[in-house]
Amino acid sequence: ETGVTQSPTHLIKTRGQQVTLRCSSQSGHNTVSWYQQALGQGPQFIFQYYREEENGRGNFPPRFSGLQFPNYSSELNVNALELDDSALYLCASSLPGLNEKLFFGSGTQLSVL
Amino acid sequence: KQEVTQIPAALSVPEGENLVLNCSFTDSAIYNLQWFRQDPGKGLTSLLLIQSSQREQTSGRLNASLDKSSGRSTLYIAASQPGDSATYLCAVTNQAGTALIFGKGTTLSVSS
Repeated sequence: ETGVTQSPTHLIKTRGQQVTLRCSSQSGHNTVSWYQQALGQGPQFIFQYYREEENGRGNFPPRFSGLQFPNYSSELNVNALELDDSALYLCASSLPGLNEKLFFGSGTQLSVL
Repeated sequence: KQEVTQIPAALSVPEGENLVLNCSFTDSAIYNLQWFRQDPGKGLTSLLLIQSSQREQTSGRLNASLDKSSGRSTLYIAASQPGDSATYLCAVTNQAGTALIFGKGTTLSVSS
């Protein structure tokens, strides 16, 4: 059973650019969630995808968008990058259900200069 | 709006000591509460999940309790080891059941 994998592990962009982060969910998991973790803070919920549809969204602007593919892998796209977007971006997969554990990837560290 | 608070923010203990990490939340209408471990620059590992109908969960040297009515949870670590050094995060599942709401974590350092 493979775990959650994210790519790339590190990324440096400049303000105004666009970025795409990728996530492969754990085998058998059809629910993927994305979180943003700023330095010294707890992760903040961006959105969740279930069976290729957005299933919930946190307090993030529309320039944060996502996709889920038929194989349940997922992408997070961020347009018009701002300095405050610098953070660790975490992907988590799970089975559907309120009491299912989330399994997190190691994250993508994004630096915006 | 649900808020999760963890106290203390940092804790240093000698090896072998038993310790308690605290988590409080403002809205008792939760589906579950989870404790996670995070090593520096890494992802999160789920340690324990307590459903809203449960009072505690145990895994090895870890025991987590939940008191919904008072909005509190504790994570008890027995016989701490240097390998337990990490940041421990508490999170509750929101009403829609789609998002985890995290505290800022407690950074634990266990010295040998």
